[in-house]
Amino acid sequence: SQQGEEDPQALSIQEGENATMNCSYKTSINNLQWYRQNSGRGLVHLILIRSNEREKHSGRLRVTLDTSKKSSSLLITASRAADTASYFCATDGDKAGTALIFGKGTTLSVSS
Amino acid sequence: KAGVTQTPRYLIKTRGQQVTLSCSPISGHRSVSWYQQTPGQGLQFLFEYFSETQRNKGNFPGRFSGRQFSNSRSEMNVSTLELGDSALYLCASSSAGGNYGYTFGSGTRLTVV
Repeated sequence: SQQGEEDPQALSIQEGENATMNCSYKTSINNLQWYRQNSGRGLVHLILIRSNEREKHSGRLRVTLDTSKKSSSLLITASRAADTASYFCATDGDKAGTALIFGKGTTLSVSS
Repeated sequence: KAGVTQTPRYLIKTRGQQVTLSCSPISGHRSVSWYQQTPGQGLQFLFEYFSETQRNKGNFPGRFSGRQFSNSRSEMNVSTLELGDSALYLCASSSAGGNYGYTFGSGTRLTVV
């Protein structure tokens, strides 16, 4: 069963705008990860945030984590057409090494 | 450093047949996980292997099985294929139990006709 739910399911923006995606999950976690998937391809790991962290940055990506609300957000700043993809959050439960449980994903479309 | 390699890239099989998919992890990674992705169910965990031992298994019927070899390469097998087994099968490898993220292969697209 799905652990997380991403919101929105689909997002369309113009190049240069910021994109924000949200993820909610149900159980305690060890860490939360975000992945990107271009159409029909494999997943690319973007960023991992641990349960004791609140915010993390990587280039144009900013991830926040609120364990009290069991939610996370991914912000992509200054979006580019190449950012067009599906984005998934994944949690691993509260025991290190357990399987990843993915949400259904947000499909981001960036037009030039 | 080579990434995770999955073969074959595409596969078409007939209902009732069996199929074997292969995954070569990143060198040094001892954990290999398998996921099934379909439009309806999304990404679902199949199983995870570490040092040739299955550590975790998802909620899939016994027709789905896997194994890991001493060189960490992994195979998954699906017997008595059903139309609903059509999916993208993704393999991921990790070090340190996934505490630093997973590296995924490009997947095997299986179509059952």
